[in-house]
Amino acid sequence: GENVEQHPSTLSVQEGDSAVIKCTYSDSASNYFPWYKQELGKGPQLIIDIRSNVGEKKDQRIAVTLNKTAKHFSLHITETQPEDSAVYFCAVNTGGFKTIFGAGTRLFVKA
Amino acid sequence: DTAVSQTPKYLVTQMGNDKSIKCEQNLGHDTMYWYKQDSKKFLKIMFSYNNKELIINETVPNRFSPKSPDKAHLNLHINSLELGDSAVYFCASSSAQDYGYTFGSGTRLTVV
Repeated sequence: GENVEQHPSTLSVQEGDSAVIKCTYSDSASNYFPWYKQELGKGPQLIIDIRSNVGEKKDQRIAVTLNKTAKHFSLHITETQPEDSAVYFCAVNTGGFKTIFGAGTRLFVKA
Repeated sequence: DTAVSQTPKYLVTQMGNDKSIKCEQNLGHDTMYWYKQDSKKFLKIMFSYNNKELIINETVPNRFSPKSPDKAHLNLHINSLELGDSAVYFCASSSAQDYGYTFGSGTRLTVV
């Protein structure tokens, strides 16, 4: 089955710096790649997604890139702010009724 | 108006008891899910329902029994609770299998 690896597990950046989180997957049939942000005590929230026919997508300070050949995709957050501190999850869907999540990255943004 | 609502938010119970968690979504989505999040924050799928029909049962012990009375509701009943069942359980819904999920706020289950 699909296997999703996410790195790093913890990331600490200074306010205003950029943060990059990377994920790799194993199933070449995977075609949908969402990213979720989970704040303390809340459920994960979809922040951006990308499909297999697109290489990059941007929404204000966040962007996602996808390399289907290498089977990896990344989340980029620019001009980080303290409110970006949270756990971020990448996820992969192969078109079935199951989305597999990465293990999560705990992002700390220091003011 | 909450899109995906779960009750209760917290549940503390003794080993061996039976408990239920309820979930409702008002988004008109066809697909609903139960995920378990352990203490290390790992999210693992348990069940997936599409239009009230069970699609995914991810080798969950049969002490866990989901029920979907209609496509807006997905409940989870757990029999004979064990210490290892302690976790946060999330309900989620989506409009199709390859679209993003809307998650509920979770139910923190503690078995003592």
